[in-house]
Amino acid sequence: GQNIDQPTEMTATEGAIVQINCTYQTSGFNGLFWYQQHAGEAPTFLSYNVLDGLEEKGRFSSFLSRSKGYSYLLLKELQMKDSASYLCAVTDSNYQLTWGAGTKLIIKP
Amino acid sequence: IAGITQAPTSQILAAGRRMTLRCTQDMRHNAMYWYRQDLGLGLRLIHYSNTAGTTGKGEVPDGYSVSRANTDDFPLTLASAVPSQTSVYFCASSEGAGQYGYTFGSGTRLTVV
Repeated sequence: GQNIDQPTEMTATEGAIVQINCTYQTSGFNGLFWYQQHAGEAPTFLSYNVLDGLEEKGRFSSFLSRSKGYSYLLLKELQMKDSASYLCAVTDSNYQLTWGAGTKLIIKP
Repeated sequence: IAGITQAPTSQILAAGRRMTLRCTQDMRHNAMYWYRQDLGLGLRLIHYSNTAGTTGKGEVPDGYSVSRANTDDFPLTLASAVPSQTSVYFCASSEGAGQYGYTFGSGTRLTVV
């Protein structure tokens, strides 16, 4: 079966750096996604990793280790607008997505 | 603006009533999906369609049905609503088999009373 774990909630300070972890066990692997979801809104795409390593995109970076079933999303220079839920999702061998429950990130001034 | 349109935005529905949630996309994506999102549970797949004319069951299909008569439209029907179907429903689409990520509609907040 599929299983994805990520922390339920994290708190960080404006201007700081935060790392949101995601661990997974799936039958086959064809990539890992990170999505951002503001309260009351739809999820929006942040990143996609299929190979091991770090993908950097502005203030956001995503890391993947396939051998460890592990990923993290790194957010730098935090802004108040980064307060949102961050969803980890993994595609299996049939390209079906399994979603984590999401990590609610609270940014404090 | 290209994307996915869902309707209605929100609805309060009496238990036992029939309801169809509408979803239309203009990106010519082959694959479409219906998810429900409940607090603490994340997104759960209800039904999906890999291409027009085909549909499949997801993780939580009971009580729901879908159809895919053409590429653009993917309605979700609750034949006889129950309170446990109170949720936020998201329609999504993807290019190919989903390996490029999903585009989501803005969601329908449904309350069954």
